[in-house]
Amino acid sequence: YVLTQPPSVSVAPGQTATITCEGNNIGRKGVSWYQQRPGQAPVLIVYRDGVRPSGISERFSGSNSGNTAALTISRVEDGDEADYSCQVWDSDGDPFWVFGGGTKLTVL
Amino acid sequence: QVRLQESGPRLVRPSETLSLTCTASGDSMSSSSWSWIRRPPGKGLEWIGYLHSDGTTSYRPSLQSRVVISLDTSKSQVSLTLTSVTAADTAVYYCARLGASMTFFDTWGQGILVTVS
Repeated sequence: YVLTQPPSVSVAPGQTATITCEGNNIGRKGVSWYQQRPGQAPVLIVYRDGVRPSGISERFSGSNSGNTAALTISRVEDGDEADYSCQVWDSDGDPFWVFGGGTKLTVL
Repeated sequence: QVRLQESGPRLVRPSETLSLTCTASGDSMSSSSWSWIRRPPGKGLEWIGYLHSDGTTSYRPSLQSRVVISLDTSKSQVSLTLTSVTAADTAVYYCARLGASMTFFDTWGQGILVTVS
């Protein structure tokens, strides 16, 4: 199972950023998103398509339908500059846990 | 809150064995399930394998013949062993805890860069 993300997305502070994750019928799977700042551990920011873990800003939201999942970051801040990766669990897959290639978000 | 820390040699010779450990603080490792994940330079994250709390394991098919993940409960450590390494195994290696539904990873270590050269 293959997940495709754009290599980079750029956005001005205060604007909204959308990062996509494409996969065959991804809408039938639960999608998770991770944020990774340089030199830091990845952090889970969304799971089961749109659920935020405790402590994650409500500026982060997720959606998933058809062949595309998306992470939306509203009111983008400088601190949001990071690499964002999507991930699914493919019960029929081998391997089961699949990641997208990652998207570098640049805050202009 | 659980914290994870990877440790081990940062330089491994080709054809030799890569051995890493993940130490957890703030969690009983035997009650959770764990994975190792890596990120080769310039590439995306790649799942290596997992160890279920019941002791069962599953590995990435392309690595299955070379990888073992095990748990030492007395030391609160999960270990990764990867044999016969090549330059293609150069990556940042992370340990991560699986969330309750086993479909995502809710806690990650800082990662350790291992170079095969």
